This record gives sequence, structure tokens and C-alpha cells, in this order.
Amino acid sequence: RKEVEQDPGPFNVPEGATVAFNCTYSNSASQSFFWYRQDCRKEPKLLMSVYSSGNEDGRFTAQLNRASQYISLLIRDSKLSDSATYLCVVLNFNKFYFGSGTKLNVKP
Amino acid sequence: EPEVTQTPSHQVTQMGQEVILRCVPISNHLYFYWYRQILGQKVEFLVSFYNNEISEKSEIFDDQFSVERPDGSNFTLKIRSTKLEDSAMYFCASRSSRDRRSYEQYFGPGTRLTVT
Repeated sequence: RKEVEQDPGPFNVPEGATVAFNCTYSNSASQSFFWYRQDCRKEPKLLMSVYSSGNEDGRFTAQLNRASQYISLLIRDSKLSDSATYLCVVLNFNKFYFGSGTKLNVKP
Repeated sequence: EPEVTQTPSHQVTQMGQEVILRCVPISNHLYFYWYRQILGQKVEFLVSFYNNEISEKSEIFDDQFSVERPDGSNFTLKIRSTKLEDSAMYFCASRSSRDRRSYEQYFGPGTRLTVT
């Protein structure tokens, strides 16, 4: 079973839409969780950490459900510049495991 | 804003040759990582490094690979006897250990390695 699983998408949405991604992880002892975004042929860039209480940063909201072992990312009022691949990342004992990413295309 | 830098941006080498990929982590960070991403695939952990030694490594990181922090700023990945399947983007990352967000990693722009 993969450590981290994501729906590869693509999610094709119009500007202004709200879109949500989910990610599941297999190791219940996982310690920390993150969302990164990656543009084509570029490095992953940290979007936000995900805390048990949930956290929000502008148009982005991340949630963690430890009981069900999933993490979510909600993007409100999506912009053209949000088009990217969103990577779910899980920390297990100083090893970071990346999901394969969910591709988002925001269309005008 | 401080950032991780990597050189070269693109390295072309012949099969069987040795390459050294270089990284300069963010200056006050203490944990360093190498990852690789084969084109079209996910980012894969290779190795983590702390306090001048390897703290974790993946199954990919076999005897062909080694890491070193030769001075106070550089962090290198050496790949010996390169194979065609080593062609990938190699990312360096670093993180602090001192603050609440200490598990957040910051990535360099990557080195694209092409083995011919």
C-alpha cells in the first residue's frame, strides 16, 4: 500500500470556483502533514502545514482527520495562477513521503 | 528571503561517469535532504542528513550514492557510475529545527541530471 495517495486529477475548474483535494496516508503514526504546490519542471514550494485543528491561509484551508487518516485542501475563489500540481506530504520518522500530486487547471 | 541554491541547473553525463551535485542550504538550517523526481513521477526521498551524518536513507540510496557536507555551507550528493535510470531532477531541501514550524522544508530549484 502506498504511503500517501492522491487523486491525480486533473481538476478543471473555472476562475472563482471552489475546489477541494483529499489525500490519504497509510501510517497512523505519521507526525506532520503538508501541502506543497509544484509548477511544471519546478521545485515543490511549501503551501502550508496542516494542523489537527485545521488552518487557514487566505483562500486556502487545510484540514487533518487523524481518525480517518486523510488530509484535505480547500481553495476558494480560484485564480488562474493556482493552476499547478498540489502535493500532499507526510512525515514519518524524519522521512518525508510525497503523494503523486493532484493537477489543478483553472480556466478563464 | 533566504533560499536554497543548487548547482549546476543541468548536468549531462555519460553512463558510468561520476557526478557531484551541489547545494547550499539556508544558512541557519540544520537538516538537509536530497530527493529525486523522475520525469512524470512523484518526488522520492533519498536521504536526510543532520549533525554531519546520515540520519535516514531510502532503499534507492544504495552504495552508488553518497552525501557530504565538506564545509560550513555546501551539501553535496555524489552519484558514482551513473546509469541511464539515474536521469531525473534532483532536489535539495533544508529545514530548521528551532521553531514551531521546524518541520517545514524548503527546496532548491533542482539539478536536472541527464545520463546518456
